[in-house]
Amino acid sequence: AQSVTQLGSHVSVSEGALVLLRCNYSSSVPPYLFWYVQYPNQGLQLLLKYTTGATLVKGINGFEAEFKKSETSFHLTKPSAHMSDAAEYFCAVSDLIQGAQKLVFGQGTRLTINP
Amino acid sequence: EAGVTQFPSHSVIEKGQTVTLRCDPISGHDNLYWYRRVMGKEIKFLLHFVKESKQDESGMPNNRFLAERTGGTYSTLKVQPAELEDSGVYFCASSQTGQGGTEAFFGQGTRLTVV
Repeated sequence: AQSVTQLGSHVSVSEGALVLLRCNYSSSVPPYLFWYVQYPNQGLQLLLKYTTGATLVKGINGFEAEFKKSETSFHLTKPSAHMSDAAEYFCAVSDLIQGAQKLVFGQGTRLTINP
Repeated sequence: EAGVTQFPSHSVIEKGQTVTLRCDPISGHDNLYWYRRVMGKEIKFLLHFVKESKQDESGMPNNRFLAERTGGTYSTLKVQPAELEDSGVYFCASSQTGQGGTEAFFGQGTRLTVV
């Protein structure tokens, strides 16, 4: 069975500082990995995804994540935090099940940006 | 193009009552998913439709939950009778047919409170 662990339910950084949100996964098959973001009063929005190929994935709003198979990790980073990045972030994993996508989520990390 | 739409955005009902949640997926998306987030926990998969057929309902908590997808378009999720532990945010998502890396688009969710 697949599982996702997000280290830290709350992360707080200063505006302009590095953002690092940690995600480790467990999967018996090659995984597809995702980061979703939920801004206040909005639905989940895809930030980036890894399927195959290049292990460093760039997403929207300056975020990127690196798939490290040896560490079973898919940490999310952004070099310089902006106030608008305050949101809840979810790491998720899926596999190819009948051509569709069934996501297994981590518990989420709420990111706070301090002025 | 309209995104995934969920109705209502909030619902407060008494224990023992019935509630029906509705999801309108993105037009042309054959895959429709329901997920639920109980407070403080991770987002969990409930079930998956391909067109009008239930592909996977392994995440449905019990037989008080009934999901339908009329004509392969919109979907409803009925809880009857509701219990306190059913409170949470119910998300709907849809995606095109494709491999596991196909993006799932999420609605804003329905926040259900059972009192």
